[in-house]
Amino acid sequence: QVQLQESGPGLVKPSQTLSLTCTVSGGSISSGGYYWSWIRQHPGKGLEWIGYIYYSGSTYYNPSLKSRVTISVDTSKNQFSLKLSSVTAADTAVYYCGGSSQRSYFDYWGQGTLVTVSS
Amino acid sequence: DIQMTQSPSSLSASVGDRVTITCQASQDISNYLNWYQQKPGKAPKLLIYDASNLETGVPSRFSGSGSGTDFTFTISSLQPEDIATYYCQQYDNLPGFGPGTKVDIK
Repeated sequence: QVQLQESGPGLVKPSQTLSLTCTVSGGSISSGGYYWSWIRQHPGKGLEWIGYIYYSGSTYYNPSLKSRVTISVDTSKNQFSLKLSSVTAADTAVYYCGGSSQRSYFDYWGQGTLVTVSS
Repeated sequence: DIQMTQSPSSLSASVGDRVTITCQASQDISNYLNWYQQKPGKAPKLLIYDASNLETGVPSRFSGSGSGTDFTFTISSLQPEDIATYYCQQYDNLPGFGPGTKVDIK
């Protein structure tokens, strides 16, 4: 059973870079077929797809965030990571990592981690 | 950019009622539409994929239909454990979610 776990700071200062890592267990990121994803949810709001990465390194980003987002993968550690630069209070959200089968549905989800942007 | 709308935004129904949620895409997305259930404080859970396919382990009272721009999600007999927010998600090119429908018990 594939499991995902987010890790990273829960508090980030405005203008800094938000960095999160997702560790995948129970399966290999390199096995293919899955696009490893970041999705966020502002407090009390809906879901916003941030982007995803294939184990080969191919990335796809939400156009509205593309200029500030970098998603990378470390197959040796079975991890993938999110960096979101120049954060503001509007980036305060629960960040989920997830797995998307062939860029279609998201059937693997982490538990989510709340990141607050505040000085 | 494909826009997704859902209606209603919230609903209250009695245990045993049939509940229907609609999702509309701003352009033809074929059957590239999924449905999720999210309970408070939890990650979303995939219920229906490709518009009408029930995810393994999901109770059969949940169903989905539609293609093109108009889709429907149905709970045939609402149970107390179905209290949640339901989201549609398209994946025609880049993925995007609908705004959600909050379902509670009357």
